[in-house]
Amino acid sequence: AQRVTQPEKLLSVFKGAPVELKCNYSYSGSPELFWYVQYSRQRLQLLLRHISRESIKGFTADLNKGETSFHLKKPFAQEEDSAMYYCALRRTDKLIFGTGTRLQVFP
Amino acid sequence: DVKVTQSSRYLVKRTGEKVFLECVQDMDHENMFWYRQDPGLGLRLIYFSYDVKMKEKGDIPEGYSVSREKKERFSLILESASTNQTSMYLCASSLPWAETGELFFGEGSRLTVL
Repeated sequence: AQRVTQPEKLLSVFKGAPVELKCNYSYSGSPELFWYVQYSRQRLQLLLRHISRESIKGFTADLNKGETSFHLKKPFAQEEDSAMYYCALRRTDKLIFGTGTRLQVFP
Repeated sequence: DVKVTQSSRYLVKRTGEKVFLECVQDMDHENMFWYRQDPGLGLRLIYFSYDVKMKEKGDIPEGYSVSREKKERFSLILESASTNQTSMYLCASSLPWAETGELFFGEGSRLTVL
């Protein structure tokens, strides 16, 4: 079955520390993966997608097919990164989402 | 600016009531989706639509129905609300997937069923 797993409900770090939000997937074909973010009192929005190989707000994510992972990383966390992060996997013309990880960045 | 608007931000209903959640997008998107968002469960797809008058079941369609009479509007209907349908409901729209692969979300409708 196609599935996205985010093992951490909450990740707390101090400002300036590295951040890694974990995402694992199960998919039989070539996966298309995304990270979405929801800041407090804002709507859910796309952060980045693996096919773009881009860095957004200092975040990167590399698709590792061997480990079936798509972890989100940032070398130096900022307080404004505090938000809810969802990993998502494309299934035909739909997205299936993980359970989300709340990132708290303390000053 | 891309916009998905959910008309009701907060609703409180009683068990057994019929509930309508409305969603309108102004981007001429073909695809529209309804998800529910629950702590610890993430986003789960209820229904989606690729075109006017077309609808497809998502992963948790039981207890819900949808209507898409116009391209810009996608309604979620709870025929007889139950307490386990208390949740945040998110509407989203997108172009055909091959074009961008991005969903645009509304601000959400928080429904409480007493």
